[in-house]
Amino acid sequence: EIVLTQSPGTLSLSPGDRATLSCWASQNIHSNHLVWYQQKPGQAPRLLIYGASNRAAGIPDRFSGSGSGTDFTLTISGLEPEDFAVYYCQQFGSSRTFGQGTKVEIK
Amino acid sequence: QVRLQESGPGLVKPSQTLSLTCSVSGGSISSDNYYWSWIRQHPGKGLEWIGYIYYNGDTFYTPPLRGRVTMSVDTSKNQFSLKLSSVTAADTAVYYCAREATTVDHNWFDPWGQGTLVTVSS
Repeated sequence: EIVLTQSPGTLSLSPGDRATLSCWASQNIHSNHLVWYQQKPGQAPRLLIYGASNRAAGIPDRFSGSGSGTDFTLTISGLEPEDFAVYYCQQFGSSRTFGQGTKVEIK
Repeated sequence: QVRLQESGPGLVKPSQTLSLTCSVSGGSISSDNYYWSWIRQHPGKGLEWIGYIYYNGDTFYTPPLRGRVTMSVDTSKNQFSLKLSSVTAADTAVYYCAREATTVDHNWFDPWGQGTLVTVSS
């Protein structure tokens, strides 16, 4: 099973700040198989990025994804109030597994 | 716009079988490019993929739960279902159904149902 480890566990930032979230895989993953989701309290996860760097429909361009192999990054350039949430990476390379999440909270 | 909605008992006794159904609206469950998944989230924790079913009945379950999980599909009702046997308190979670889209190059889960909390308690 591929284990995904996200860092940091919590990111305390202010609106307008840049957020950089990391996701490390225990084995190489093809970038096509890495996805990012956003989850707000009481809501289902929302698709943000697929294929490591492709924004899903309707996702603002302040969200961007990058990476390859075992090292992936989600960047939010200029946090808006609605961006404070938990973010999960997820892989489809071998079975399907999720990272444990990074909470982006207001500082 | 495809929508998914989970339904089923919110309380299950230990050792019994948890049963949930996901109703799909706005699109056909019998589409070639989609798998239909169950994902759960323990209270205050992360997400755990349980497994998927294809419209033809093919299934793939996560190894840790493989011996207790059964998924089925009813194309006439545009629904798919989850059964998890021999439940314990550790199976208390919000259960989501989700559509896994597959293309030549990519996969993703979207949309998701709103989720349903299942509590295992006597």
